[in-house]
Amino acid sequence: KQEVTQIPAALSVPEGENLVLNCSFTDSAIYNLQWFRQDPGKGLTSLLLIQSSQREQTSGRLNASLDKSSGRSTLYIAASQPGDSATYLCAVVTGNQFYFGTGTSLTVIP
Amino acid sequence: KAGVTQTPRYLIKTRGQQVTLSCSPISGHRSVSWYQQTPGQGLQFLFEYFSETQRNKGNFPGRFSGRQFSNSRSEMNVSTLELGDSALYLCASSRPQLGAYTGELFFGEGSRLTVL
Repeated sequence: KQEVTQIPAALSVPEGENLVLNCSFTDSAIYNLQWFRQDPGKGLTSLLLIQSSQREQTSGRLNASLDKSSGRSTLYIAASQPGDSATYLCAVVTGNQFYFGTGTSLTVIP
Repeated sequence: KAGVTQTPRYLIKTRGQQVTLSCSPISGHRSVSWYQQTPGQGLQFLFEYFSETQRNKGNFPGRFSGRQFSNSRSEMNVSTLELGDSALYLCASSRPQLGAYTGELFFGEGSRLTVL
């Protein structure tokens, strides 16, 4: 069964810092990987989708990379802002099902 | 373009009752999936529907059921509610690309269920 892990569980950084969030998965046979953010009590907002044939995707200050062979993905956030404070989750598609990590709670301190 | 709409947003039930939650996907999306989110277990997959057929199911008891209508709207039902069913129930829709099983997931705001 696919297992998705996100470390650290929580992260606190000062505003303006660049940061990296990690996502690892046990089964490299994934179809795609998606990063989301979730604000307290809200649904998930899609940030980036990486197909299995791709190595990275970029959107604004966000860059996500995928290394299937090592079972890892990273989400890079440049020049962090207080509005980036949220929980970030990654999800992989394996065997026609989405598997989610438990998320990294990010706090950006003004 | 309207997003995924879930109703109701909040509800309170007592043990033993049943509940029905509704999800309207983004126009053109034929795949609808449901998830349960709790602080202890995180996001767990319940089931996924495509063109009115359940394609995939997670490891939840038979008290959890769902269906999809011809307009792609979906409902999930939980019977004989237990305290542990208190959670945020999230619905997501996607439009698979040609030849693909699934595409990018788009979530609704969720229905928060409290069981007393």
